[in-house]
Parts: sequence; structure tokens; C-alpha cells
Amino acid sequence: QITLKESGPTLVKPTQTLTLTCTFSGFSLSTTGVGVGWIRQPPGKALEWLALTYWDEDKRYSPSLKNRLTITKDTSKNQVVLTMTNMDPVDTGTYYCARGRRGYNYYFDYWGQGTPVTVSS
Amino acid sequence: QSVLTQPPSVSAAPGQKVTISCSGSSSSIGRNYVSWYQQFPGTAPKVLIYDNNNRPSGIPDRFSGSKSGTSATLGITGLQTGDEADYYCGTWDSSLSGGQVFGGGTKLTVL
Repeated sequence: QITLKESGPTLVKPTQTLTLTCTFSGFSLSTTGVGVGWIRQPPGKALEWLALTYWDEDKRYSPSLKNRLTITKDTSKNQVVLTMTNMDPVDTGTYYCARGRRGYNYYFDYWGQGTPVTVSS
Repeated sequence: QSVLTQPPSVSAAPGQKVTISCSGSSSSIGRNYVSWYQQFPGTAPKVLIYDNNNRPSGIPDRFSGSKSGTSATLGITGLQTGDEADYYCGTWDSSLSGGQVFGGGTKLTVL
């Protein structure tokens, strides 16, 4: 059974750094073709992809947020960590981690329940 | 503003068929494969279609996907009230900026 779960603060202040952890089970990030990504969703708005780390050392970031994001993985702990610097109220939303699976392109086949993040002073 | 364009809403009666469009560009849908996700309020998205027209196990064949040029379409037949949800298309963008991109989402109402 594949599961993913996000954890981190629910409230951060503007300009602070957000650190979110995705803890997963049922698969390994060492398996070829597997990745773990982060996607967020502001209240009432659309999904926005943030970052993706792959089974090898490749990582990809949203071009618009690249300067603020860092994604790291700990394969032995089955965890992926996302840090986002200089948080702003517009970053408020639900943050999901999801397993990326390679078909012809990557898609997200398993998702965590999401964790809400509010940016407010 | 999303890279992929979807209609904000569609509606149809139970038992009918509905299609949801997703328009992209030559660097997004034109060069890559499309996935579709279903999201109920307060829950995480679930993949319905990947690689344009493939269904993961457990997804009924009432759901189908297609792609032509720089656009993709999700079709749902035999509509049920339980299909009322938000639907998102997604793909990769092969431009210099790159990355996974999603559509703005479509709210399906089953009248």
C-alpha cells in the first residue's frame, strides 16, 4: 500500500522560510522512474506544481518559484523535504506531496492528504 | 493564470456525456502527454487519465482521454451525481522555462 503524508507548520510569518516534509511508504525513491513532487493549491484556486525530485539526482523546479525552492530527499528515511524561502501571504494554501510515475511523461499517481499553510503576521 | 486553459465550468444531466477541454501550446501539450485529475472538495486530487488516454487500474471506462495537436479532452459518459467535482489537466512544458503545468480546473455540475 502506497501512502504519502505531509507535515510541517500550519502558520508561518511573512519573510520566514517554510519547511515541509513528505514521508512516504510502499515504494522506494531508488526505483527507476519514480519521483516525488510538491504541488500547492491556494484556497478556491487551481493546482500549482512546485518541484519534483527523481530517483536519480535530477531535480526540477517551477520556473516562477525556482529561486525560493529547494527539494531534497532522504532515500533511507523515505522522506522528501521542500523548503520555500521568503514566504508571503499569497503562498497561503494547501500543500500536497505526490508520487511521480514515469509513463511517457511523469504524472502523479498517489497523493498525500495535503497540509494547510497560512502565511500571516 | 494557468499555462493550460480549461473552461471554468461544464454541466450535464445524469446519464449524459460531457467533455472537458484543455488547451495548451506547442511546447506543452503539443510535445508531451496529458494527464487528468479529479478532485472533490477538501480532498487530494486523483489521477483519472495518464499518457493522454490510459486509465489507472480502478478507474472506470466511463472516463476517457484524447489529444489532438495542442489540445486534450477528457470525456465522461454515463454521468453520475458522484462525478460532480473539479477536473484538472496536466502536462509537461518543454520550453526553456519547463516544468509540470496544470490547467485552471473545470467544475463539473451534474444537474
